[in-house]
Amino acid sequence: AQSVSQHNHHVILSEAASLELGCNYSYGGTVNLFWYVQYPGQHLQLLLKYFSGDPLVKGIKGFEAEFIKSKFSFNLRKPSVQWSDTAEYFCAVTSFSGGYNKLIFGAGTRLAVHP
Amino acid sequence: DGGITQSPKYLFRKEGQNVTLSCEQNLNHDAMYWYRQDPGQGLRLIYYSQIVNDFQKGDIAEGYSVSREKKESFPLTVTSAQKNPTAFYLCASSMSLGGSSGEKLFFGSGTQLSVL
Repeated sequence: AQSVSQHNHHVILSEAASLELGCNYSYGGTVNLFWYVQYPGQHLQLLLKYFSGDPLVKGIKGFEAEFIKSKFSFNLRKPSVQWSDTAEYFCAVTSFSGGYNKLIFGAGTRLAVHP
Repeated sequence: DGGITQSPKYLFRKEGQNVTLSCEQNLNHDAMYWYRQDPGQGLRLIYYSQIVNDFQKGDIAEGYSVSREKKESFPLTVTSAQKNPTAFYLCASSMSLGGSSGEKLFFGSGTQLSVL
């Protein structure tokens, strides 16, 4: 079965530090990859997505992610975090089976940014 | 405003009781989903529906049931067979492309279910 692994469950950073959150998936076929973010008290929302083309994807709020097919990875990065980036981040992969698409999520990474 | 509405925000279930969580969307989306969110486990798919009157089991469907009689509505029933129902339940929807790329999901604000 397809799965998504996020390596860090909790990350604590100071403002201006660089961020990289790991995400690996297990699926040999064509994939669509996503990062979702859940800010405290808010809905889950899409941060960025990869469908095809340039493997370096830029999202909102200065985030980017790089799809490395050979490593089955889609790590999320931001050069300089802010206190407002404190949130939970979920990596997700589209699984296509039985004629249907469904989104498989990783366990999430809680990021706390201290001023 | 377009969006997804989940109700209630908090729900308590007694032993042996079935409870139903509501999810309504006015985005004209074909696809709807129910996820369960547990600390440290992320979101796990319970059921999903690509069109009206059709739905599929997700990864953890046991103890749950759904219906999709209307495009706008996708209620989830947590039955007494679900032995560990305490969790945060999220409903989502997306434009259905029936087999092409996965689409962006829009999420509701969630329902916290607890067992008394």
